[in-house]
Amino acid sequence: QVQLQESGPGLVKPSGTLSLTCEVSGGSISSADWWSWVRQAPGKGLEWIGDIYFGGSTNYNPSFKSRMTMSVDRPRNQFSLKLVSVTAADTAVYFCARIKGVWEFDLWGRGTLVTVSS
Amino acid sequence: YELTQPPSVSVSPGQTARITCSGHALPKKYAYWYQQRKSGQAPVLVIYEDTKRPSGIPDRFSGSNSGSTATLTITGAQVEDEADYFCYSTDSTGNYRVFGGGTKLTVL
Repeated sequence: QVQLQESGPGLVKPSGTLSLTCEVSGGSISSADWWSWVRQAPGKGLEWIGDIYFGGSTNYNPSFKSRMTMSVDRPRNQFSLKLVSVTAADTAVYFCARIKGVWEFDLWGRGTLVTVSS
Repeated sequence: YELTQPPSVSVSPGQTARITCSGHALPKKYAYWYQQRKSGQAPVLVIYEDTKRPSGIPDRFSGSNSGSTATLTITGAQVEDEADYFCYSTDSTGNYRVFGGGTKLTVL
């Protein structure tokens, strides 16, 4: 069955760049139209960051739009998130997820904790 | 755009728990509900498209959407249903995804 696995540095310095990758295993990244990133700050709620279409089109949360980039690497079956100029407020568990159809998050990675600290 | 949920709901085992989610686009957009047993763990879908239940979700979970409020109902709540519940939908354009702030359900 399809599984998602996030990877990337667990510690990023303030004003630095957060870079995460989500590997899709057990199936093709082309099997779904949209792939997404969601985060959860410690003790807080879920926050949608943005989506990427398997063909490369993107849809970003306006709250992050000016400092984020998402990309897809179809040969490697993975997609990525870059968030620049991070602050302590960006400390969170970052989840990658698959969108079923247009709306539904139907598959999630286990999440990876990213801490922004000097 | 925001989806508003009560921060907490508390019931005794066997009672009915109702968790609401309010948003002005809900009359036109589906609501989804996710259960998260522990913060930082992957959420689990318990209701999709307002009223539908994924396979494997107990039938004590049900959903409704009327007016600007979607409701998750757990009929005969069990101790194992203690978790955070998040509603999810999109804005009126369908372009932006939004989660509610989450409701902590206590069953004791």
